[in-house]
Amino acid sequence: AQKVTQAQTEISVVEKEDVTLDCVYETRDTTYYLFWYKQPPSGELVFLIRRNSFDEQNEISGRYSWNFQKSTSSFNFTITASQVVDSAVYFCALSEGDAGGTSYGKLTFGQGTILTVHP
Amino acid sequence: ETGVTQSPTHLIKTRGQQVTLRCSSQSGHNTVSWYQQALGQGPQFIFQYYREEENGRGNFPPRFSGLQFPNYSSELNVNALELDDSALYLCASSWGWGTGELFFGEGSRLTVL
Repeated sequence: AQKVTQAQTEISVVEKEDVTLDCVYETRDTTYYLFWYKQPPSGELVFLIRRNSFDEQNEISGRYSWNFQKSTSSFNFTITASQVVDSAVYFCALSEGDAGGTSYGKLTFGQGTILTVHP
Repeated sequence: ETGVTQSPTHLIKTRGQQVTLRCSSQSGHNTVSWYQQALGQGPQFIFQYYREEENGRGNFPPRFSGLQFPNYSSELNVNALELDDSALYLCASSWGWGTGELFFGEGSRLTVL
Protein backbone atom coordinates (compact mmCIF):
# COMPACT_ATOMS: atom_id res chain seq x y z
CA ALA A 1 0.00 0.00 0.00
CA GLN A 2 1.10 3.53 -0.67
CA LYS A 3 1.53 6.07 2.09
CA VAL A 4 2.58 9.71 2.27
CA THR A 5 3.64 11.36 5.51
CA GLN A 6 3.92 15.09 6.07
CA ALA A 7 5.17 15.30 9.62
CA GLN A 8 4.82 19.08 9.90
CA THR A 9 1.19 19.88 10.64
CA GLU A 10 1.68 23.64 10.80
CA ILE A 11 4.56 25.99 10.03
CA SER A 12 4.60 29.69 10.76
CA VAL A 13 7.26 32.02 9.32
CA VAL A 14 7.81 35.69 8.79
CA GLU A 15 7.89 37.09 5.27
CA LYS A 16 11.22 36.67 3.43
CA GLU A 17 12.21 33.63 5.48
CA ASP A 18 12.98 30.41 3.65
CA VAL A 19 10.82 27.44 4.56
CA THR A 20 11.06 23.72 3.78
CA LEU A 21 8.07 21.39 3.79
CA ASP A 22 8.95 17.74 4.37
CA CYS A 23 7.41 14.75 2.62
CA VAL A 24 8.24 11.09 3.13
CA TYR A 25 6.58 8.35 1.11
CA GLU A 26 6.21 4.58 1.09
CA THR A 27 5.50 2.46 -1.95
CA ARG A 28 6.32 -1.01 -3.29
CA ASP A 29 6.12 0.19 -6.88
CA THR A 30 9.33 0.59 -8.83
CA THR A 31 7.75 3.25 -11.02
CA TYR A 32 5.83 6.00 -9.31
CA TYR A 33 5.14 9.70 -9.45
CA LEU A 34 5.35 12.36 -6.77
CA PHE A 35 3.41 15.60 -6.68
CA TRP A 36 2.97 18.77 -4.70
CA TYR A 37 -0.33 20.61 -4.64
CA LYS A 38 -1.27 23.90 -2.96
CA GLN A 39 -4.72 24.47 -1.42
CA PRO A 40 -5.56 28.14 -0.79
CA PRO A 41 -8.55 29.08 1.40
CA SER A 42 -10.87 28.96 -1.64
CA GLY A 43 -10.55 25.16 -1.57
CA GLU A 44 -9.35 24.10 -4.99
CA LEU A 45 -6.02 22.29 -5.15
CA VAL A 46 -3.46 23.81 -7.48
CA PHE A 47 -0.87 21.59 -9.16
CA LEU A 48 2.74 22.66 -8.50
CA ILE A 49 5.01 19.85 -9.70
CA ARG A 50 5.24 16.21 -10.82
CA ARG A 51 8.37 14.05 -10.63
CA ASN A 52 8.82 10.45 -11.68
CA SER A 53 10.83 7.90 -9.73
CA PHE A 54 13.55 7.73 -12.38
CA ASP A 55 14.40 11.40 -12.25
CA GLU A 56 16.17 12.48 -9.08
CA GLN A 57 17.29 15.83 -10.40
CA ASN A 58 16.34 18.70 -8.18
CA GLU A 59 14.09 21.30 -9.74
CA ILE A 60 13.81 25.02 -9.28
CA SER A 61 10.95 27.18 -10.43
CA GLY A 62 11.26 30.78 -9.35
CA ARG A 63 11.14 30.84 -5.55
CA TYR A 64 10.14 27.17 -5.40
CA SER A 65 12.53 24.24 -5.37
CA TRP A 66 12.12 20.53 -4.85
CA ASN A 67 14.60 17.98 -3.51
CA PHE A 68 13.87 14.33 -4.41
CA GLN A 69 15.99 11.71 -2.63
CA LYS A 70 15.06 8.16 -3.45
CA SER A 71 17.50 6.77 -0.87
CA THR A 72 15.48 8.36 1.95
CA SER A 73 12.08 8.24 0.18
CA SER A 74 11.73 11.97 0.55
CA PHE A 75 10.44 14.73 -1.72
CA ASN A 76 10.88 18.01 0.11
CA PHE A 77 9.65 21.41 -1.04
CA THR A 78 11.42 24.69 -0.27
CA ILE A 79 10.03 28.18 -0.69
CA THR A 80 12.73 30.83 -0.77
CA ALA A 81 11.98 34.35 0.47
CA SER A 82 8.42 33.46 1.46
CA GLN A 83 5.57 35.86 0.85
CA VAL A 84 2.18 36.31 2.48
CA VAL A 85 0.54 34.93 -0.70
CA ASP A 86 2.30 31.62 -0.06
CA SER A 87 0.02 31.03 2.94
CA ALA A 88 -1.97 27.88 2.17
CA VAL A 89 -2.15 24.17 2.88
CA TYR A 90 0.42 22.19 0.92
CA PHE A 91 -0.06 18.55 0.03
CA CYS A 92 2.44 16.00 -1.12
CA ALA A 93 0.98 13.12 -3.16
CA LEU A 94 2.04 9.84 -4.75
CA SER A 95 0.71 7.70 -7.58
CA GLU A 96 1.88 4.53 -9.28
CA GLY A 97 2.67 4.65 -12.96
CA ASP A 98 4.70 3.18 -15.78
CA ALA A 99 8.05 3.96 -17.31
CA GLY A 100 6.38 5.48 -20.34
CA GLY A 101 5.40 8.55 -18.38
CA THR A 102 1.89 7.50 -17.44
CA SER A 103 0.71 8.16 -13.93
CA TYR A 104 -2.30 6.03 -13.16
CA GLY A 105 -4.31 8.93 -11.88
CA LYS A 106 -5.18 7.72 -8.37
CA LEU A 107 -3.29 10.01 -6.03
CA THR A 108 -2.51 9.19 -2.43
CA PHE A 109 -2.20 12.44 -0.49
CA GLY A 110 -0.45 13.25 2.75
CA GLN A 111 -2.25 15.02 5.57
CA GLY A 112 -1.01 18.42 4.46
CA THR A 113 1.09 21.17 6.03
CA ILE A 114 -0.55 24.48 6.90
CA LEU A 115 1.88 27.26 6.04
CA THR A 116 1.26 30.71 7.45
CA VAL A 117 3.49 33.56 6.33
CA HIS A 118 3.24 36.65 8.49
CA PRO A 119 4.01 40.13 7.14
CA GLU B 1 -10.83 28.36 -20.96
CA THR B 2 -13.47 27.37 -18.41
CA GLY B 3 -12.18 25.76 -15.25
CA VAL B 4 -13.71 22.95 -13.20
CA THR B 5 -17.02 23.94 -11.65
CA GLN B 6 -18.89 22.09 -8.94
CA SER B 7 -22.40 22.39 -7.57
CA PRO B 8 -23.78 22.88 -5.07
CA THR B 9 -21.06 24.62 -3.08
CA HIS B 10 -22.64 23.86 0.28
CA LEU B 11 -25.42 21.55 1.36
CA ILE B 12 -26.84 20.04 4.50
CA LYS B 13 -28.47 16.61 4.64
CA THR B 14 -29.67 14.32 7.36
CA ARG B 15 -28.51 10.80 8.04
CA GLY B 16 -30.04 8.24 5.69
CA GLN B 17 -30.73 10.70 2.88
CA GLN B 18 -29.21 10.61 -0.57
CA VAL B 19 -27.15 13.33 -2.27
CA THR B 20 -26.00 14.09 -5.81
CA LEU B 21 -23.02 16.33 -6.46
CA ARG B 22 -22.21 17.66 -9.92
CA CYS B 23 -19.03 18.56 -11.72
CA SER B 24 -18.30 20.20 -15.06
CA SER B 25 -14.83 19.36 -16.24
CA GLN B 26 -12.42 21.84 -17.72
CA SER B 27 -12.83 22.39 -21.44
CA GLY B 28 -11.00 19.69 -23.41
CA HIS B 29 -10.68 17.27 -20.48
CA ASN B 30 -12.11 13.75 -20.75
CA THR B 31 -11.26 12.35 -17.31
CA VAL B 32 -12.89 13.17 -13.99
CA SER B 33 -11.75 12.06 -10.54
CA TRP B 34 -13.57 12.51 -7.26
CA TYR B 35 -11.92 12.95 -3.89
CA GLN B 36 -13.29 13.21 -0.34
CA GLN B 37 -11.50 15.57 2.02
CA ALA B 38 -12.47 15.40 5.69
CA LEU B 39 -11.66 18.42 7.83
CA GLY B 40 -7.94 18.68 8.51
CA GLN B 41 -7.10 15.71 6.30
CA GLY B 42 -5.71 15.15 2.85
CA PRO B 43 -8.03 14.25 -0.03
CA GLN B 44 -8.90 10.57 -0.45
CA PHE B 45 -9.51 9.07 -3.88
CA ILE B 46 -13.08 7.88 -4.43
CA PHE B 47 -13.08 6.95 -8.13
CA GLN B 48 -12.15 8.09 -11.60
CA TYR B 49 -14.11 8.16 -14.85
CA TYR B 50 -12.47 8.08 -18.27
CA ARG B 51 -14.64 8.39 -21.36
CA GLU B 52 -17.78 7.49 -19.39
CA GLU B 53 -16.33 4.32 -17.82
CA GLU B 54 -15.18 3.87 -14.21
CA ASN B 55 -11.39 3.64 -14.36
CA GLY B 56 -10.30 2.94 -10.82
CA ARG B 57 -11.91 3.08 -7.41
CA GLY B 58 -10.63 3.80 -3.94
CA ASN B 59 -11.63 2.20 -0.67
CA PHE B 60 -15.21 3.48 -0.57
CA PRO B 61 -18.40 1.40 -0.17
CA PRO B 62 -20.83 0.80 -3.06
CA ARG B 63 -23.20 3.47 -1.75
CA PHE B 64 -20.75 5.89 -3.36
CA SER B 65 -21.46 5.78 -7.08
CA GLY B 66 -20.85 7.97 -10.07
CA LEU B 67 -21.56 8.75 -13.66
CA GLN B 68 -19.79 10.51 -16.45
CA PHE B 69 -21.80 11.96 -19.31
CA PRO B 70 -20.91 12.27 -23.02
CA ASN B 71 -19.87 15.89 -22.46
CA TYR B 72 -17.48 14.56 -19.75
CA SER B 73 -19.32 16.21 -16.88
CA SER B 74 -19.85 13.96 -13.91
CA GLU B 75 -22.02 13.20 -10.90
CA LEU B 76 -21.18 11.71 -7.54
CA ASN B 77 -24.07 10.02 -5.75
CA VAL B 78 -24.00 8.98 -2.12
CA ASN B 79 -26.86 6.89 -0.70
CA ALA B 80 -27.78 6.24 2.92
CA LEU B 81 -25.72 9.16 4.21
CA GLU B 82 -23.75 8.69 7.40
CA LEU B 83 -22.36 11.34 9.74
CA ASP B 84 -18.82 10.46 8.61
CA ASP B 85 -19.71 11.43 5.05
CA SER B 86 -19.48 15.08 6.12
CA ALA B 87 -16.57 16.41 4.09
CA LEU B 88 -15.45 18.56 1.19
CA TYR B 89 -15.97 16.65 -2.06
CA LEU B 90 -13.51 17.65 -4.73
CA CYS B 91 -13.81 16.99 -8.41
CA ALA B 92 -10.73 17.07 -10.63
CA SER B 93 -10.46 16.84 -14.39
CA SER B 94 -7.58 16.02 -16.68
CA TRP B 95 -6.79 15.15 -20.27
CA GLY B 96 -6.49 11.38 -20.13
CA TRP B 97 -5.81 9.54 -16.90
CA GLY B 98 -2.10 9.39 -17.36
CA THR B 99 -0.44 12.56 -16.13
CA GLY B 100 -1.55 13.05 -12.57
CA GLU B 101 -1.75 16.78 -13.23
CA LEU B 102 -5.26 17.33 -12.03
CA PHE B 103 -7.31 20.50 -12.25
CA PHE B 104 -9.55 20.79 -9.22
CA GLY B 105 -12.79 22.57 -8.57
CA GLU B 106 -13.48 24.41 -5.34
CA GLY B 107 -15.49 21.53 -3.96
CA SER B 108 -18.91 20.83 -2.50
CA ARG B 109 -19.06 21.06 1.28
CA LEU B 110 -21.47 18.38 2.57
CA THR B 111 -22.68 18.38 6.15
CA VAL B 112 -24.64 15.38 7.39
CA LEU B 113 -26.66 15.90 10.57
